[in-house]
Amino acid sequence: EPEVTQTPSHQVTQMGQEVILRCVPISNHLYFYWYRQILGQKVEFLVSFYNNEISEKSEIFDDQFSVERPDGSNFTLKIRSTKLEDSAMYFCASRVMGQGDSPLHFGNGTRLTVT
Amino acid sequence: AQSVAQPEDQVNVAEGNPLTVKCTYSVSGNPYLFWYVQYPNRGLQFLLKYITGDNLVKGSYGFEAEFNKSQTSFHLKKPSALVSDSALYFCAVKPTGSARQLTFGSGTQLTVLP
Repeated sequence: EPEVTQTPSHQVTQMGQEVILRCVPISNHLYFYWYRQILGQKVEFLVSFYNNEISEKSEIFDDQFSVERPDGSNFTLKIRSTKLEDSAMYFCASRVMGQGDSPLHFGNGTRLTVT
Repeated sequence: AQSVAQPEDQVNVAEGNPLTVKCTYSVSGNPYLFWYVQYPNRGLQFLLKYITGDNLVKGSYGFEAEFNKSQTSFHLKKPSALVSDSALYFCAVKPTGSARQLTFGSGTQLTVLP
């Protein structure tokens, strides 16, 4: 069964550094998402992406964050200047086009640790 | 605004006993409702969804959930729990026909005791 893949599985970075989290969504999916999960807390929406543009973003997704689909297969999340509170699991998800009832397919996540 | 409440952080049940993980929601209009499961160090896996129609929906691994519109609930159930069902369970909601993202509950840790 096709799946969403994320790399790296674990990223350690120093505060103030830039990080890029990478995702390869399922090939026939058209909607892409980033969620994050701070340890022991709920899964929080960051951003959704469709037709090469952001379709919705949360208040968490400030100017430090950006997303890109550079080559038709990868979907990246960039954090320009990391803060300690950015430490979390970051999940990429994708779904097929539809009325919104198609389920999200999640990757296994990237654990980001900011020191 | 849409929201989901999972009132129990932790549910413990003996193997072979029925299990229930509770979820209530708030959304404008009719909801799409989902249950996801998360195993350690893994992403969320889709279990089942309610879109319309029969209030009892069946999903993966023998799980089912009942949509109750009057109580705005969507509790997850299984008639006979397995130790391998131990995981973190998330309920999620979005308004029907909306492009808005899913809103997740805070999760319920299910532990099935042998």
